[in-house]
Amino acid sequence: DGGITQSPKYLFRKEGQNVTLSCEQNLNHDAMYWYRQDPGQGLRLIYYSQIVNDFQKGDIAEGYSVSREKKESFPLTVTSAQKNPTAFYLCASRTGFPPYEQYFGPGTRLTVT
Amino acid sequence: AQSVTQLDSHVSVSEGTPVLLRCNYSSSYSPSLFWYVQHPNKGLQLLLKYTSAATLVKGINGFEAEFKKSETSFHLTKPSAHMSDAAEYFCVVPGMDSSYKLIFGSGTRLLVRP
Repeated sequence: DGGITQSPKYLFRKEGQNVTLSCEQNLNHDAMYWYRQDPGQGLRLIYYSQIVNDFQKGDIAEGYSVSREKKESFPLTVTSAQKNPTAFYLCASRTGFPPYEQYFGPGTRLTVT
Repeated sequence: AQSVTQLDSHVSVSEGTPVLLRCNYSSSYSPSLFWYVQHPNKGLQLLLKYTSAATLVKGINGFEAEFKKSETSFHLTKPSAHMSDAAEYFCVVPGMDSSYKLIFGSGTRLLVRP
């Protein structure tokens, strides 16, 4: 089945620790995205990548980092510099033609205490 | 700038009755529009997409939406609600800058009463 996988589903970390969230897709999409969702709020863009070895900051990139070494993979690292890391993180990939819809993974819920 | 406004934060219906979730858009031209659904603790699933090919768009699970340019609306409907439809629904427009990021409405939580 084509789709996007994220792991783990739940992640618990102590303050001060970096943590990496995995995102893999087999849809052959060039573009991939990371969003953050907080309770009662919409999704906010953290980082995106339109092609391998290239990525751009989104609206709330501070305290996060990414890499894009392979087309299929777009891992997100939540660093200790992120002040409020507890959230639901969603990865998506985008088609390369209009209307440029995005397809989402199942999400990772990160809790930092 | 593109934007979408979802007019209801919560909608409650009885099982078997029609569903109407309202969305208005703001754009200087005829945009593409999407509806996504999110069940609790799940990712977003694309319900349907409008691409200007037809104003009435059919999606998955019996949902459909009608694009009305004169009203700048893209309301989501379903003739008969099912318990499994209880979820959060997002009206979405793709941004037109180089990121193609999605611009989300604030969401409508659909409650289905037995």
